[in-house]
Amino acid sequence: GDSVTQMQGQVTLSEDDFLFINCTYSTTWYPTLFWYVQYPGEGPQLLLKVTTANNKGISRGFEATYDKGTTSFHLQKASVQESDSAVYYCVLGERGTGSNRLTFGKGTKFSLIP
Amino acid sequence: EAAVTQSPRSKVAVTGGKVTLSCHQTNNHDYMYWYRQDTGHGLRLIHYSYVADSTEKGDIPDGYKASRPSQENFSLILELASLSQTAVYFCASSEGWGGAYEQYFGPGTRLTVL
Repeated sequence: GDSVTQMQGQVTLSEDDFLFINCTYSTTWYPTLFWYVQYPGEGPQLLLKVTTANNKGISRGFEATYDKGTTSFHLQKASVQESDSAVYYCVLGERGTGSNRLTFGKGTKFSLIP
Repeated sequence: EAAVTQSPRSKVAVTGGKVTLSCHQTNNHDYMYWYRQDTGHGLRLIHYSYVADSTEKGDIPDGYKASRPSQENFSLILELASLSQTAVYFCASSEGWGGAYEQYFGPGTRLTVL
């Protein structure tokens, strides 16, 4: 079945540092890749969606792309702020199956060094 | 106004008891989903539905039932609650078929089984 591997469980950086989170995926269907963000006490919400390999999704200062050859996708931000502290999930969506299912990675908790 | 609401927001249940978690959406979406969130596991799909009066099994359906009496409402039922079902439960909705559409999440229900 479909799977998503998100290896970085936690990332801690200083303000204005560069953030990079990477995931790999496996699917037999046409993939759409998402990044969801979850703030404390809330449900996950969509941050970015990328439907075509090598195309770039951009939102709120974050960028995301995916590479079909290496079946990897990543999220990056040039200069992180306190307000970016949250859990980030890489998510695989299936196209063409009819289920509209999403497969979540385990999440990366990002926080600033106090 | 919140488009996906869940009730209760938190609940303490006894082992072997029956628990019903409710979800209501005002998005006019056909698809609804139930996930559980555990530390280190991300979100895992329990049940989903794409039309009223019909539900489908997700990836971890054992020990759970679902009910979709109307387009707006989707319930998750634990007939015999167990300690291992302690988790945060999220409901979500989405539109569409055959595509990877954004899912809109509720705020979650924290369930503690004692």
